[in-house]
Formats: sequence, structure tokens, C-alpha cells
Amino acid sequence: EAQVTQNPRYLITVTGKKLTVTCSQNMNHEYMSWYRQDPGLGLRQIYYSMNVEVTDKGDVPEGYKVSRKEKRNFPLILESPSPNQTSLYFCASSLTGTKVSETQYFGPGTRLLVL
Amino acid sequence: QKEVEQNSGPLSVPEGAIASLNCTYSDQGSQSFFWYRQYSGKSPELIMFIYSNGDKEDGRFTAQLNKASQYVSLLIRDSQPSDSATYLCAFLGAFGNEKLTFGTGTRLTIIP
Repeated sequence: EAQVTQNPRYLITVTGKKLTVTCSQNMNHEYMSWYRQDPGLGLRQIYYSMNVEVTDKGDVPEGYKVSRKEKRNFPLILESPSPNQTSLYFCASSLTGTKVSETQYFGPGTRLLVL
Repeated sequence: QKEVEQNSGPLSVPEGAIASLNCTYSDQGSQSFFWYRQYSGKSPELIMFIYSNGDKEDGRFTAQLNKASQYVSLLIRDSQPSDSATYLCAFLGAFGNEKLTFGTGTRLTIIP
């Protein structure tokens, strides 16, 4: 089954404790992306990757890191989480990220609470 | 001006009626436009995309695009309670800036 998986689905942590949210897709997609969703602010892009070893900042990259060492995986790293990073996070992927009719597939989401 | 503007709602529509959702955007170079549906606590799922001016129909859903007015809409005919969700519009930026930008979403409630 074609899918995007994220782990963990729920996470409670404390300020300053490094964490990683994993994202994996099994569709051989080149494009992967991370979003955060907050009430009243919609989905905002954090980072995206057009292919292996190619990453770029989205609209809200501060406080986050990413890496793309393999095509299927795109982990999101919070080196020193802060309470303002409490949010619902979605990973997404699409074939190339550039086609006008391309579907972007979303993972199930990771709900993060930083105390 | 926000890149994408949507009425946050909530929009309440009787069952069987037509629900009309609207979205305006500021990037004149936008290539294509997407409508996503998101149930509470779930991930967004694509309903339709459109990139040519005019109407595009898929079952009970019709997307309408007017690039001159920078306006895209989604009509849901014969609304069902299962259509109750938040609807997100998104646009793909111009060549060289292929970022998918989302609106804040419109919450739709279908009243039985």
C-alpha cells in the first residue's frame, strides 16, 4: 500500500530535549516536505526536499533541521524544542513537486506538546 | 496581503443543498490550484486540482478557476453529512518557486 508514515504519532517532551520525528514514504517520490498546522494559521511549510541531499527552507524553518540521506526518509529534527513548537506536524511527499497536476500525499500527523 | 485568503467559517449548509467555498490568491504566477479536505484530527486529502480557467467537475464536486480575478472556488452539490470537514485551498507557485502554499481553511458543517 502506497503511504507516508510518521513516527511517533504523539509526543510529549520538555523544553530543550532534542527530538526527531521520522517520515518515510514507499512511493519512490523525489519531493518530500514538512508542515506544521496551528489553529487559525493553516498549514505552513517548514522545510522541503526536491531529492536526496537537496533541502530548502520553507516559510517557518527556525528551530528545525532536516536531512535527506535516502530517498524514502526525511526526518525532522528539533535540536532544542520550545513551547512555541507545540503543534501538529505533517510530512508529505509527491513525485517531483513541480507538476501542475501532482498529488501530494500526507502522512497521518504527529502531535507534539513541548512543556 | 496574505498569499491565500479563505473565509474560515464555519459555513453551515443544509443536507442536499450546494456548498460554495471560495479562495483568493495573490501570486499571479501560480500554476495550479488544489482543494484538500481535512477531517478533524486527520491529514489532508486531495479532492481536486485545477490549472485552466473555467470549471472542472468530478462527481458532486466542481472546481472553478478565474485567473484574471485570482479566484478559485469549490462547489459541493447534494451536500452530505460526510462532507462536514475543513476544506483547504492551496496553490503551486510559479516555475522556479514550486512551493505549495495553503490557505487557513474553511470549516464546513452539513446540517441533516
